[in-house]
Amino acid sequence: KAGVTQTPRYLIKTRGQQVTLSCSPISGHRSVSWYQQTPGQGLQFLFEYFSETQRNKGNFPGRFSGRQFSNSRSEMNVSTLELGDSALYLCASSPGEQSNTEAFFGQGTRLTVV
Amino acid sequence: KNQVEQSPQSLIILEGKNCTLQCNYTVSPFSNLRWYKQDTGRGPVSLTIMTFSENTKSNGRYTATLDADTKQSSLHITASQLSDSASYICVVSAEGTYKYIFGTGTRLKVLA
Repeated sequence: KAGVTQTPRYLIKTRGQQVTLSCSPISGHRSVSWYQQTPGQGLQFLFEYFSETQRNKGNFPGRFSGRQFSNSRSEMNVSTLELGDSALYLCASSPGEQSNTEAFFGQGTRLTVV
Repeated sequence: KNQVEQSPQSLIILEGKNCTLQCNYTVSPFSNLRWYKQDTGRGPVSLTIMTFSENTKSNGRYTATLDADTKQSSLHITASQLSDSASYICVVSAEGTYKYIFGTGTRLKVLA
């Protein structure tokens, strides 16, 4: 069974640009959640999608958005990039029916904003 | 405010020794608590997940405990190995939400 796949693995962008990250969940999983990880802040929850609907959202500005497709694949978009957006972006998938189910993380996308 | 605090921030032990990592939380109402292991540059991997009614759960050499009254959890690693060198992250979710609150982790280094 394939794991959670995130693309690309590494990305370099300049300030002001926008970026789209992709996450393919484990087959059969309907929930995808996104996280930002920085050395100073640790892991922070961005948002979670279930069956194409955003079910929960963290405390990030509107520049951070996402969506989920009918095949459960998810994309995350960051517009007007800032230097502080440099981070490891992780997504996790789970079956999603209940909040206490196992979540499996991908390897992450390392975004560097210069 | 929902918070998860972990201690120590970092820890160095010799191979073969045991260690215990701590996690205190103020998340309410509590749903479940998870421990993850994260190797440098990789995504976290789940070690254990515990709900309110569970107070101990083991996964090989890893044993997690939960005291829901004091809102504390610990992760005990037995007979440490070099491959245990990683960050260990405690994550708590609140009942009725799908939002996870992460601790900042404990960075463990196991030396030969």
